[in-house]
Amino acid sequence: AQSVTQLDSQVPVFEEAPVELRCNYSSSVSVYLFWYVQYPNQGLQLLLKYLSGSTLVKGINGFEAEFNKSQTSFHLRKPSVHISDTAEYFCAVSGRNTPLVFGKGTRLSVIA
Amino acid sequence: DAGITQSPRHKVTETGTPVTLRCHQTENHRYMYWYRQDPGHGLRLIHYSYGVKDTDKGEVSDGYSVSRSKTEDFLLTLESATSSQTSVYFCAISEGRAPGELFFGEGSRLTVL
Repeated sequence: AQSVTQLDSQVPVFEEAPVELRCNYSSSVSVYLFWYVQYPNQGLQLLLKYLSGSTLVKGINGFEAEFNKSQTSFHLRKPSVHISDTAEYFCAVSGRNTPLVFGKGTRLSVIA
Repeated sequence: DAGITQSPRHKVTETGTPVTLRCHQTENHRYMYWYRQDPGHGLRLIHYSYGVKDTDKGEVSDGYSVSRSKTEDFLLTLESATSSQTSVYFCAISEGRAPGELFFGEGSRLTVL
C-alpha cells in the first residue's frame, strides 16, 4: 500500500522568497506522484504530476517538483512566492491500479 | 472547469438522521470518488466507483454507503449520521483509474449535531 508523509504542516514565508514543501512517499511498486493546491473554500486542483520520464516536473503558477527515487521524495519548489500562493498544498501518490492517497497537507502562508 | 456539481453545499443535521450527498458530473468520466477532508488528516477516500453499479471501499468506508445508477450521478449516504462524520466531503472524477488527474467538486460541508 502507498502512503505519503508531508513533513511540514505549516510553512510561513515572506513574499518573493523561495519555498520548498517536502513530501516523502512509501511504496513497493511503481508510483505516480502529484501535487494539488486548495485555495480557501474551494476544491483541489492539480499543480503538477510525475508519471514517468524526466524527474524534474514543471507545473502551473511557476511551481516545480523533483522526483527522487533513491530518497523516495517529491518536494515542491517555487523560486519566488506571491501572496496569491497562500493555500494548502497536498502531495498524493497512486499506483497503477489504485486510487490516489493524499498526504495531510501543508499550509503555505505568504507574508507581505 | 470540469462539470462537477455537489449538493447540498451545506447541511446541518442531527445525530441519527440519514443524509445523502449527491455528486453530478457532465464529463461522462468513468471514475468517481468520495473523499472527506478533516483538519490534520488531509483527504481520505471513502468509496469510489469505476462504472455504473460498480463501487469499492476506500480507507474510511465504515458508516457510509454509495450508489451509482447512472454514469453522471454518485450518491453518498450516511444511514445514521454521527458527530464523527462532521466533515467536508469532496467528490472527484477521473477518466482513468490511474494515473489520471482527478477533478474535484466544490465540496459539501456537513455538520452533525
